[in-house]
Amino acid sequence: DAGVTQSPTHLIKTRGQHVTLRCSPISGHKSVSWYQQVLGQGPQFIFQYYEKEERGRGNFPDRFSARQFPNYSSELNVNALLLGDSALYLCASSPNRGATYEQYFGPGTRLTVT
Amino acid sequence: KQEVTQIPAALSVPEGENLVLNCSFTDSAIYNLQWFRQDPGKGLTSLLLIQSSQREQTSGRLNASLDKSSGRSTLYIAASQPGDSATYLCAVRHSDWWGGGADGLTFGKGTHLIIQP
Repeated sequence: DAGVTQSPTHLIKTRGQHVTLRCSPISGHKSVSWYQQVLGQGPQFIFQYYEKEERGRGNFPDRFSARQFPNYSSELNVNALLLGDSALYLCASSPNRGATYEQYFGPGTRLTVT
Repeated sequence: KQEVTQIPAALSVPEGENLVLNCSFTDSAIYNLQWFRQDPGKGLTSLLLIQSSQREQTSGRLNASLDKSSGRSTLYIAASQPGDSATYLCAVRHSDWWGGGADGLTFGKGTHLIIQP
């Protein structure tokens, strides 16, 4: 079975631009969470989506937004990119909401903002 | 606000040694704790998941313990090998929310481990 997939693998953008990152969860998984990992730090929670609705948000500005599609795949959008947005963006899926269900992580998208 | 601290930040040991990585968290109201491995530039690989009601979990040469009341967990690696070189991350999950809200993981900054051949 395929694991969590993310695209693209790497991305280079300029300050002020907009970026869209994509995530496909494990088949049958309904919950998708997004994390940002800046170099040398642990991942930080950005969003959780379940059944196409936002279920929670970490301490990130409104420039960050996301959505989940009927097939449970998800997009993370970041507007007005800043140098500090350079990071590895990780997507995780789980069968359902709730801490009972383990999260499975994708390989990440490396975003570089110049 | 939950804070997770991992000590040491970096560790370099010769092959074959047994070693212990430490993780502490400030809010003991956790649902579970998970240890991950991350290779450079890669995603996260789950190693062990310990439920709050458990004291330890074992997988091969890895053993993780949890003392929820004191807010501590350790990851023990036996007979270390060069292939164990990676960053090890500890993460906690808060008590289950059925009525709403998110249940994301809170991570430490990790321990960068190098096993010398």
